[in-house]
Amino acid sequence: GENVEQHPSTLSVQEGDSAVIKCTYSDSASNYFPWYKQELGKGPQLIIDIRSNVGEKKDQRIAVTLNKTAKHFSLHITETQPEDSAVYFCAAIGSQGGSEKLVFGKGMKLTVNP
Amino acid sequence: EPEVTQTPSHQVTQMGQEVILRCVPISNHLYFYWYRQILGQKVEFLVSFYNNEISEKSEIFDDQFSVERPDGSNFTLKIRSTKLEDSAMYFCASSVSVNTEAFFGQGTRLTVV
Repeated sequence: GENVEQHPSTLSVQEGDSAVIKCTYSDSASNYFPWYKQELGKGPQLIIDIRSNVGEKKDQRIAVTLNKTAKHFSLHITETQPEDSAVYFCAAIGSQGGSEKLVFGKGMKLTVNP
Repeated sequence: EPEVTQTPSHQVTQMGQEVILRCVPISNHLYFYWYRQILGQKVEFLVSFYNNEISEKSEIFDDQFSVERPDGSNFTLKIRSTKLEDSAMYFCASSVSVNTEAFFGQGTRLTVV
């Protein structure tokens, strides 16, 4: 089945810096890759997603890139702000047998220092 | 903005007891899911539910677990005889269809003592 690896596990940046989170996946047939932000005590909230027919997608300060050949995808946050501090999870949906489940990475705790 | 709601927010139960976690998915969504997150670990898939039946389940979802959609709005997860290792945050999610955005609830923190 699908396996998603995420790194780094923690990242601390200064306000205004950029942050990059990288993930790899194992199932070459996976076709949907969402990114979730989880604040303390809350459920994961989708911040951006990308499909396998697209190489890059941007939404204001966040962007996601997908390299299907290398089977990795990355989240880029520019001009970070303290409210960006949270745990970020990448995920993938494999397509084996029409799977519907999201397979999550281990998460990355981002701390943005004012 | 529509949201997935879960109750209770925190449940403490004794080992061996049955618990029912409740969820109200977004009204026009057709796919429903339960995930769990043990403290400090990744979010893990438990089960997906579509058209009033389980469509996919993980190895975690053994005979102690069951799901039900008792009426048109609620979606429940039952753990028949809780174990200490069932202690986790349980998230309900729903989506319009597969491979689309899954909306997560706030979670129920289950503590088995």
